[in-house]
Amino acid sequence: EVQLVESGGGLVKPGGSLRLSCAASGFTFSSYSMNWVRQAPGKGLEWVSSISSSSTYMYYADSVKGRFTISRDNAKNSLYLQMNSLRAEDTAVYYCARGGAYSPDDYWGQGTLVTVSS
Amino acid sequence: DIQMTQSPSSLSASVGDRVTITCRASQSISNYLNWYQQKPGKAPKLLIYAAYSLQGGVPSRFSGSRSGTDFTLTISSLQPEDFATYYCQQTYTTPLTFGGGTKVEIK
Repeated sequence: EVQLVESGGGLVKPGGSLRLSCAASGFTFSSYSMNWVRQAPGKGLEWVSSISSSSTYMYYADSVKGRFTISRDNAKNSLYLQMNSLRAEDTAVYYCARGGAYSPDDYWGQGTLVTVSS
Repeated sequence: DIQMTQSPSSLSASVGDRVTITCRASQSISNYLNWYQQKPGKAPKLLIYAAYSLQGGVPSRFSGSRSGTDFTLTISSLQPEDFATYYCQQTYTTPLTFGGGTKVEIK
């Protein structure tokens, strides 16, 4: 069974940093591109970042470019999102999803809430 | 960036109704269009990918179609478990973009 479990969310002050993790199981993680997608409270879905299976390609939304870094460790079956210089508008539930830049997101984690507030 | 304009933003329907949701892309995206269902407090669930293809395990009352840059999600006979919010997504190019969502409510 495919499982994606996010962790690392929480309350952080504006300008602070947070690192999200996504633990994958039930499939050959190293064969799939992965995405981060977020959803602000009461709002729609927003793509954040994608990474290819071997980390060759990484893509970012303009809203996070230069502040967020996506990475993965295929030996640990894990996906990461390093978030720096956080802003109030980054407050959202962050989902990891199996899919990548040009594929549908066929499996999603349960999400982790990031709240940026003083 | 490719804009995805989804309509309507909400609709009220009864069990058994045929429901149609439309998504228009601001430019050609070929068939790189996916549909998701999201229930409150839950992660989105993939329903349709590549405009027409039904994801495994998804009931056959869901279907997708395309006419140029207009895409349609149809639920042939609405069931109680279908009351949710639906999103389209283009995966033709980055930045990947979603439609604004359609909330399907009980009439």
